Amino acid sequence: EVQLVESGGGFVQPGRSLRLSCEASGFTFNDYAMFWVRQSPGKGLEWVAGINWNGDKIKYADSVKGRFTCSRDNAKNSLYLQMDSLRPDDSALYYCVKDVGSGLGAGVRLDPWGQGTLVTVSS
Amino acid sequence: DIVMTQSPLSLSVTPGEPASISCTSSQSLLHDNGFNYLDWYLQKPGQSPQLLIYLRSNRASGVPDRFSASGSGTDFTLKISKVETEDVGVYYCMQSLQTPVTFGPGTRVQIK
Repeated sequence: EVQLVESGGGFVQPGRSLRLSCEASGFTFNDYAMFWVRQSPGKGLEWVAGINWNGDKIKYADSVKGRFTCSRDNAKNSLYLQMDSLRPDDSALYYCVKDVGSGLGAGVRLDPWGQGTLVTVSS
Repeated sequence: DIVMTQSPLSLSVTPGEPASISCTSSQSLLHDNGFNYLDWYLQKPGQSPQLLIYLRSNRASGVPDRFSASGSGTDFTLKISKVETEDVGVYYCMQSLQTPVTFGPGTRVQIK
């Protein structure tokens, strides 16, 4: 059974940093692209970042570009999201999501989703 | 970015009755290869979203055949032939033609 377990969320002040982690199991991690998607009450579902199977291709939403860094460690079956210069509008539940393919081209299919880790940015 | 819209945003349905949700994209989702890059996701109460339909009309594994989807280009529809109580939740359409993938605002389906 595919499992994605996020961790690292929490309460942080604006301008500070957080690092999210996602531990994957139940599939060959280095065969698949992975994504971060966030959900906030005010903005619905928003794709944040995607990384291809070996980490040499990464894409970001404009809203996080330059502040967030997505990476993966295939030896540890883990996905990461380093979030710097956090803003209140980054507050959301962050999901780790597996793709059905290995690249970042057309046809991304988000399946399955983890349970999410909550990030709250507030002073 | 491709903007996705849905209607209605909320739907209340009697069990056993049909339901229909529309999704419209600001650009055509029809790729040169003939596929429409439009997926549907369902987020049940208290759960993470789950894949329901991919590439316009293909049911994901385990999805009952009361769910069907159609459309092409910019206009798409998700239909539930006979709504059951387990179908409550928020339904999202999502385009995967371009990065960033973008989602519709969601349609909340409730049972009368």
